[in-house]
Amino acid sequence: EAGVAQSPRYKIIEKRQSVAFWCNPISGHATLYWYQQILGQGPKLLIQFQNNGVVDDSQLPKDRFSAERLKGVDSTLKIQPAKLEDSAVYLCASSLGTGGPSYNEQFFGPGTRLTVL
Amino acid sequence: QKEVEQDPGPLSVPEGAIVSLNCTYSNSAFQYFMWYRQYSRKGPELLMYTYSSGNKEDGRFTAQVDKSSKYISLFIRDSQPSDSATYLCAMSAGANSKLTFGKGITLSVRP
Repeated sequence: EAGVAQSPRYKIIEKRQSVAFWCNPISGHATLYWYQQILGQGPKLLIQFQNNGVVDDSQLPKDRFSAERLKGVDSTLKIQPAKLEDSAVYLCASSLGTGGPSYNEQFFGPGTRLTVL
Repeated sequence: QKEVEQDPGPLSVPEGAIVSLNCTYSNSAFQYFMWYRQYSRKGPELLMYTYSSGNKEDGRFTAQVDKSSKYISLFIRDSQPSDSATYLCAMSAGANSKLTFGKGITLSVRP
């Protein structure tokens, strides 16, 4: 079974530029999460999707961050404009979301490491 | 007070040692408790998953949850150099809900 795929793996940008990250969850997983992990800290949820719909985006800085999940599969996370404090690893995770054993276990991708200069 | 507090590190032990990793939490709504292992430049990988209080064993790993004390632990027996990684505790209030993570502790097992 293929895992969660993310790209790019690394990105370096100047502050005030824009950047986008892509995530392809495990096939059949209805729930998709984007987390931000700042160096030395645990991941923090930015947004959670159930199929196409947003379940929780309470910690997403909506003035600069946006995310979408078209057709309930792939997802993109965008930052525009980027700030220095956005330097972090952006992790995508997915879970089955409904039914089956361990349906809420979250599987993480390798992450995208963003550096804002 | 942070929702989830994890013992600070780093932690260095000799091969074969028993390792105890701990987290405390303040939100009594948490019902699902997890331990993730994260190798350098990789995403977190689920190690142990428990619901409510009690113990769960899987090979060399044992997870304990004490909801009355709001305290969870992960024990690693016969630690190996391959166990060297960052360990993150995580918890959620409901099924399919967001995870709240501790800061993580970096473990180094010396050969």
